[in-house]
Amino acid sequence: RKEVEQDPGPFNVPEGATVAFNCTYSNSASQSFFWYRQDCRKEPKLLMSVYSSGNEDGRFTAQLNRASQYISLLIRDSKLSDSATYLCVVDASGNTPLVFGKGTRLSVIA
Amino acid sequence: NAGVTQTPKFRVLKTGQSMTLLCAQDMNHEYMYWYRQDPGMGLRLIHYSVGEGTTAKGEVPDGYNVSRLKKQNFLLGLESAAPSQTSVYFCASSYLEVAHTGELFFGEGSRLTVL
Repeated sequence: RKEVEQDPGPFNVPEGATVAFNCTYSNSASQSFFWYRQDCRKEPKLLMSVYSSGNEDGRFTAQLNRASQYISLLIRDSKLSDSATYLCVVDASGNTPLVFGKGTRLSVIA
Repeated sequence: NAGVTQTPKFRVLKTGQSMTLLCAQDMNHEYMYWYRQDPGMGLRLIHYSVGEGTTAKGEVPDGYNVSRLKKQNFLLGLESAAPSQTSVYFCASSYLEVAHTGELFFGEGSRLTVL
């Protein structure tokens, strides 16, 4: 089982839709979880951290389920500008400080 | 504030040639990282450094060497380039141990093609 797994998509949704991404991780000892956003041919940028109690930032909500070892990202009222690849990122032991998922591509259509 | 700057942005090499990618950050960050990103593979860590004069291997270190002689610079070297090293390379830095903050600051990437 890969350390961090995401559905690659693409998710094609109309403007205004609500879309959710899930990500599963294999290391039960992981303590820190994040979502990054990467625009086409650009560098990744931190979108938000994921806290145990769940957290919200405007239209974005992140949640963590430790028992099932997955994190989620919910985007409400999708905008065209939300079109990007969303990377699930988890801390890991060993020689890799953070492990990146392969990303889920979102296209918001007018 | 330039942040993280990578040079060169693009490079085409022939198999067997050598080259060095330079990463410079002006944020006084302790930690620096080199990743490669390939289609369908996501970001994979090559080498990283937790401070000036230190380096450590990541997930895919073979075929690469690194040096951190100055705190603000992290160099990635390819001694004998192979087509399998065709990729987009990203440098990143962080102030604190990244597992705690998650905040990696990335450069714009360097696109390397090995023929």
